[in-house]
Amino acid sequence: TQLLEQSPQFLSIQEGENLTVYCNSSSVFSSLQWYRQEPGEGPVLLVTVVTGGEVKKLKRLTFQFGDARKDSSLHITAAQPGDTGLYLCAGGGSNTGKLIFGQGTTLQVKP
Amino acid sequence: ETGVTQTPRHLVMGMTNKKSLKCEQHLGHNAMYWYKQSAKKPLELMFVYSLEERVENNSVPSRFSPECPNSSHLFLHLHTLQPEDSALYLCASSQDFPGAHEQYFGPGTRLTVT
Repeated sequence: TQLLEQSPQFLSIQEGENLTVYCNSSSVFSSLQWYRQEPGEGPVLLVTVVTGGEVKKLKRLTFQFGDARKDSSLHITAAQPGDTGLYLCAGGGSNTGKLIFGQGTTLQVKP
Repeated sequence: ETGVTQTPRHLVMGMTNKKSLKCEQHLGHNAMYWYKQSAKKPLELMFVYSLEERVENNSVPSRFSPECPNSSHLFLHLHTLQPEDSALYLCASSQDFPGAHEQYFGPGTRLTVT
């Protein structure tokens, strides 16, 4: 069974701080997605990474896919209150169209 | 309307009621999904439809009955639910299944079973 472990599960920081969220597995994924979900809404796709070692940037967010395609990280620079939400990673298997989701990281950025 | 829409956004029902959740996607995708999201648990995949054909049923109890009349619409019919079925039910779509891993989600229906 493929599993994705996210850490930390909860993070509360002050505006302007930097943070990193990790997504780890013992399984290889063909792709890795990161989503952000705000209270009362569905997850919104932020980025997809497909190549081992790939780095993608989205404004203050930097996403990295591990060389072995088993792990990923999300780094936020100078966090803002608008970054508050639940961050989900999801891995796509090479033999299946299904996504395996991590349990999520709840981020709270205080002004 | 753009993206994926879901109605109703909130639903409270008794254990003997029958209700339906509706999902519509305006993205021209061929695959649609139902997920259950409970507190502190990863999203649980319930059903997958590809070109209106059910291709996945993840051991979901028969009190949940999906229906996909065309590639743009997906329903989840509910009957004789239990309190533990209270959760956020999310609909999603993707270009194809299998193959396309990018899924686009609706806002969800918050279901409370009393």
